Amino acid sequence: EPEVTQTPSHQVTQMGQEVILRCVPISNHLYFYWYRQILGQKVEFLVSFYNNEISEKSEIFDDQFSVERPDGSNFTLKIRSTKLEDSAMYFCASRIGQGAYGYTFGSGTRLTVV
Amino acid sequence: DQQVKQNSPSLSVQEGRISILNCDYTNSMFDYFLWYKKYPAEGPTFLISISSIKDKNEDGRFTVFLNKSAKHLSLHIVPSQPGDSAVYFCAASGQTGANNLFFGTGTRLTVIP
Repeated sequence: EPEVTQTPSHQVTQMGQEVILRCVPISNHLYFYWYRQILGQKVEFLVSFYNNEISEKSEIFDDQFSVERPDGSNFTLKIRSTKLEDSAMYFCASRIGQGAYGYTFGSGTRLTVV
Repeated sequence: DQQVKQNSPSLSVQEGRISILNCDYTNSMFDYFLWYKKYPAEGPTFLISISSIKDKNEDGRFTVFLNKSAKHLSLHIVPSQPGDSAVYFCAASGQTGANNLFFGTGTRLTVIP
């Protein structure tokens, strides 16, 4: 069964450093997302990406965050200057087309900012 | 901004009995609802969904019921199995182009053998 792949599974970084979280969405999917889950809290939407541009973003997704689809397969989330409160599980998701049907999540990257 | 709420953080059920997980939402523009199952250190795994034009959807042991007037949905698992033990998230989506999901806080289900 096709799956969304995320690397690394765990990233530890020092406060103020830049991190890049990587995702390989399902190959024929057209919509791409990043979500995060702070420990003990709900999964929260960060950003959606379609047709090589951001289609929607939440208030969490401030200027410290950026997304990119540098080639035909990867989808990255960059955090420019990490803060302690950025520590969370970050999930990439993709879906094939219009509507919420078929959302598939990756296994997540646990980001720990120290 | 709690647009999707799961008021029960945990639920314990005996194996073989029915598990009922509940979810409430506030946004009347939501038109698609999903249930995800999540194990620790894994991503949410899709279980079952329902469109707002229906009031019930069934898939094997899993049934989702939607009451639009009450803005309430529930997931029934019958019979419950120990392997069902996980955190269950309710999610909702509106008619925006991006269809981002709004998640509840999750309910931890423990099925006791």
